[in-house]
Amino acid sequence: DIQMTQSPSTLSASVGDRVTITCRASQTINSWLAWYQQKPGKAPKLLIYKASTLQSGVSSRFSGRGSGAEYSLTISSLQPDDSATYHCQQYNSQPYTFGQGTKLEIK
Amino acid sequence: QVHLQEWGPGLVKPAETLSLICNVSGYSISNGYYWGWIRQPPGKGLEWIGSVSHSGNPHYNPSLKSRLTILVDSSKNRFSLNLSSVTAADTAFYYCARATSWMTFEYWGQGSLITVSS
Repeated sequence: DIQMTQSPSTLSASVGDRVTITCRASQTINSWLAWYQQKPGKAPKLLIYKASTLQSGVSSRFSGRGSGAEYSLTISSLQPDDSATYHCQQYNSQPYTFGQGTKLEIK
Repeated sequence: QVHLQEWGPGLVKPAETLSLICNVSGYSISNGYYWGWIRQPPGKGLEWIGSVSHSGNPHYNPSLKSRLTILVDSSKNRFSLNLSSVTAADTAFYYCARATSWMTFEYWGQGSLITVSS
């Protein structure tokens, strides 16, 4: 199985800040990487797929980049509504696996 | 708008079979896409359980494969999950979702908490 490791596990930032979350795969995943946002008590929401393609309807403040085994999600101009847990998922090979999540707190 | 809704028992006894149904509205399953199940133990990360194509071809997580069945019922526009011989480790929120052929999950149900306890 491909292991997905996110860092940091928790993150605290202020409104207007720019933050970056990293996701590292245990082997190359050829940009088959998605990012999800999950708010407490809710289902995850797809933000980005193919490492950098924004899902329809998602704010352009979210961006993704990376290649090989290293990927990142950047959120610019943080808003209070961005408070959530963010998960990465590889879909390069089965079983599809997720990172452990990064909890973002807005101060 | 695609809408998914999970239905399940809430509480399952150890060693019994967990059965969940996902009702789909706003899209006909027979038209395409994959349909998947993902679970999340309270306070923990997400785990892909398995997916099934609109034609019924399943893909299972090997860690669960020996206990797992995912079926499509196009006539009722729903798909189901059966997980046998459950233990406390199977306690989780269970989500159903529509997946692209790449296996990204675009539309999700609200989730159903399943607790395994006697």
